[in-house]
Amino acid sequence: EAQVTQNPRYLITVTGKKLTVTCSQNMNHEYMSWYRQDPGLGLRQIYYSMNVEVTDKGDVPEGYKVSRKEKRNFPLILESPSPNQTSLYFCASSPYVDHEQYFGPGTRLTVT
Amino acid sequence: GQQLNQSPQSMFIQEGEDVSMNCTSSSIFNTWLWYKQEPGEGPVLLIALYKAGELTSNGRLTAQFGITRKDSFLNISASIPSDVGIYFCAGQLRAGTASKLTFGTGTRLQVTL
Repeated sequence: EAQVTQNPRYLITVTGKKLTVTCSQNMNHEYMSWYRQDPGLGLRQIYYSMNVEVTDKGDVPEGYKVSRKEKRNFPLILESPSPNQTSLYFCASSPYVDHEQYFGPGTRLTVT
Repeated sequence: GQQLNQSPQSMFIQEGEDVSMNCTSSSIFNTWLWYKQEPGEGPVLLIALYKAGELTSNGRLTAQFGITRKDSFLNISASIPSDVGIYFCAGQLRAGTASKLTFGTGTRLQVTL
């Protein structure tokens, strides 16, 4: 089944403790992206990747890092999480840029 | 970043009614997309629009890409209970090697029997 998977689905952590949210797609898509969703603000793009080893900042990249070492994986790294990063995070992929994106199920992160 | 104004914020309608929602932007996009999100799930693509003026249907859903490239609307005809959810517009702009997707703030749709 073609899909985008994220892990974990739920995470509660403390301020400053590094964490990684994984994202994987099995559709051989070139383009991958991370979003955060907050009430009243909709979805905002954090980072995106046009292909392996090619990443760029979205609208809200501060406090996040990404890497794209393989085509299928696009992890989101929070080196020192803070409470304002409490949010619902979505990974998405598409065959290429300009094509519609397919979203994963989401990761709900709480930073205390 | 770019701003997308989506309206209305929420709608309460009766089953069988038609629904209309729209998005406007301060700048142009190359692509307009409409997504639906249900509780606990990621957004699911409903309709994609690639050309200014394009009118596209998907079952009871119809969407249009405004000719100014700064707006789009989504219509749902003869609503049914399973239409409940949050609908998001999204504009995609490609500039050189960069491509960003900007989402509207969503329209929450409730359908009563």
